[in-house]
Order: sequence, then C-alpha cells, then structure tokens
Amino acid sequence: DAMVIQNPRYQVTQFGKPVTLSCSQTLNHNVMYWYQQKSSQAPKLLFHYYDKDFNNEADTPDNFQSRRPNTSFCFLDIRSPGLGDAAMYLCATSSPRESSYEQYFGPGTRLTVT
Amino acid sequence: GENVEQHPSTLSVQEGDSAVIKCTYSDSASNYFPWYKQELGKRPQLIIDIRSNVGEKKDQRIAVTLNKTAKHFSLHITETQPEDSAVYFCAVARLLTGANNLFFGTGTRLTVIP
Repeated sequence: DAMVIQNPRYQVTQFGKPVTLSCSQTLNHNVMYWYQQKSSQAPKLLFHYYDKDFNNEADTPDNFQSRRPNTSFCFLDIRSPGLGDAAMYLCATSSPRESSYEQYFGPGTRLTVT
Repeated sequence: GENVEQHPSTLSVQEGDSAVIKCTYSDSASNYFPWYKQELGKRPQLIIDIRSNVGEKKDQRIAVTLNKTAKHFSLHITETQPEDSAVYFCAVARLLTGANNLFFGTGTRLTVIP
C-alpha cells in the first residue's frame, strides 16, 4: 500500500553525466515536492508542482530541472551532477483538499556522484 | 525563504525522562508548524503539527506548544522510550491555497538511554 514511491532507491552516476530520479504517487494529490537532504542536514526544498504549475525556489541551481507528465508522476533531472549534488532526494505530496496539511514523503533516492 | 533555528542539535535523556526541543522562525506570516521524526536512512514521518490559531496540541506522549507573538514553538516528549531515538525536525510553512512549502530546522538528534 505504498503511497509515494521513488525509483531507484540508490543511484550512482558519474560526474557530469545526466541523471533522472522518479517519483510516483497513488494518493491523487495535486502537489508534488522535491527536497534535497545532504548528510546530517535538514531537507531543503528544491521546487514543487501544483497540478501542472511549476514553482522553483529562488536558490535552486539551474542544474536541477523537473517534469510532471501527469498527476501521478514527477521526475527530477540533474543535468550535470557535481560532487556536491550527492545527497538523498526526497519526493513528497500534499493536497489542499485534505483537512490535514500533511506532506507524505517517499523513501528517498540516495544519489552518489563518482 | 524562511529562517528556522532549532535547538539543541543533540539531546540525550534517560528512558522515562522528558525531552524538549525548541524552534524559532522569522516569517510572521507562517501559520503551520509540523514536527517530523526521521530514523536513520528512512523518510521523515509527521508526528504532530499545529496551526497558528492554536496554542497547544497533545497526542499521547507528544505535545507541541506555539507562541506566535515570540515566533517560537516547542516539541515535548514525555516518558521517553528507546524507540523515540531519532532525528527530529521542526518545520514551518505558510499555508496558501495550494502548496505548503516546508522550511525545516536544522534537526535534533535525540538519544534515549535505556
């Protein structure tokens, strides 16, 4: 009964080689978020989609892009990964229709850059 | 974005004692204050949240208090158990009509000593 699914769970990529991380949800939530969490740090919001509307945080590097082809799926593209992009990437969802404002997190994808 | 400070960064308590973690925030328009528990290598899990129109909320051994004037809120865990050991993050958000972007504190590593 997984609600927010992330694939792969572990990803290794080479310096400068584009990589795509995937998130899917079975909750039919309007909003999907991507967070970056580096070791021993707090999650940091990169961007979110409200339906098809994309909203970028001001300090998110241009190297990070996102796509949401439909309600269920959202992708994080890292165009040219650097060593500093090694982190856990967390996808989350929420819906303004719900009385709770909870964000539901996926299990994360741990990205290693070699 | 919002600036959220969290203290202490580490906290060790004896089993059965209480634990208190405090957060302050900068944006007076913030109106949603969740607390997340994150075990090593796992996703953040919401444990309790509070909205700005409420000063205190309790759920069994966990309580959150909010002082909106002073812009700080606290997590209280009573009768701590070893399974409470984890990293705890406070977060703040400004609830809009759609997304509720979370800005996290720096985290507190709680260790409950049996």
